[in-house]
Amino acid sequence: TQLLEQSPQFLSIQEGENLTVYCNSSSVFSSLQWYRQEPGEGPVLLVTVVTGGEVKKLKRLTFQFGDARKDSSLHITAAQTGDTGLYLCAGSNAGGTSYGKLTFGQGTILTVHP
Amino acid sequence: DAMVIQNPRYQVTQFGKPVTLSCSQTLNHNVMYWYQQKSSQAPKLLFHYYDKDFNNEADTPDNFQSRRPNTSFCFLDIRSPGLGDAAMYLCATSRDRAFEQFFGPGTRLTVL
Repeated sequence: TQLLEQSPQFLSIQEGENLTVYCNSSSVFSSLQWYRQEPGEGPVLLVTVVTGGEVKKLKRLTFQFGDARKDSSLHITAAQTGDTGLYLCAGSNAGGTSYGKLTFGQGTILTVHP
Repeated sequence: DAMVIQNPRYQVTQFGKPVTLSCSQTLNHNVMYWYQQKSSQAPKLLFHYYDKDFNNEADTPDNFQSRRPNTSFCFLDIRSPGLGDAAMYLCATSRDRAFEQFFGPGTRLTVL
């Protein structure tokens, strides 16, 4: 069974601060997705990373996929109140028993205070 | 815009009264998924359809059934809802297996 350990589980910061969320696994993933979910809504896909060592930027958000494709991080620069939400990492594989399924991390609840 | 639509957004049912949730997609994706999500936890996969091929998760209760009459629509039937079935139900689609998944806005189910 593949597992994704996501940390921290909770993050409460002031507007303007930087933060990093981590997802770690002992398993290799073909790709990894990051989602943000606001209360009462479905998860919204932020990014997909597929290549080991890949770095993607989305405005103030920077996503990294580890060289061995076992871990990933999400860094937010100068957080804003609009960044508040549940952040989920999810890995997928192109084969094996988990083929076609996402392995989710436990989620990080981010609260950005004004 | 191509999208995943879920209806209704909020559903209230009584203990033991069957309920059906619906999902439609304009993405023309092959795979459709149903997830259950409870308060700020990660979504839990119930089952998925790869085209017409139904794939049930081993720990999905028999109380939960699904139908996919065509590519665009998928239904989640809860035959006898219990209090523990109160949750957010999410539908997702992907172009093919192991491709990124796109989620609908969810249906919040309340069981009285």
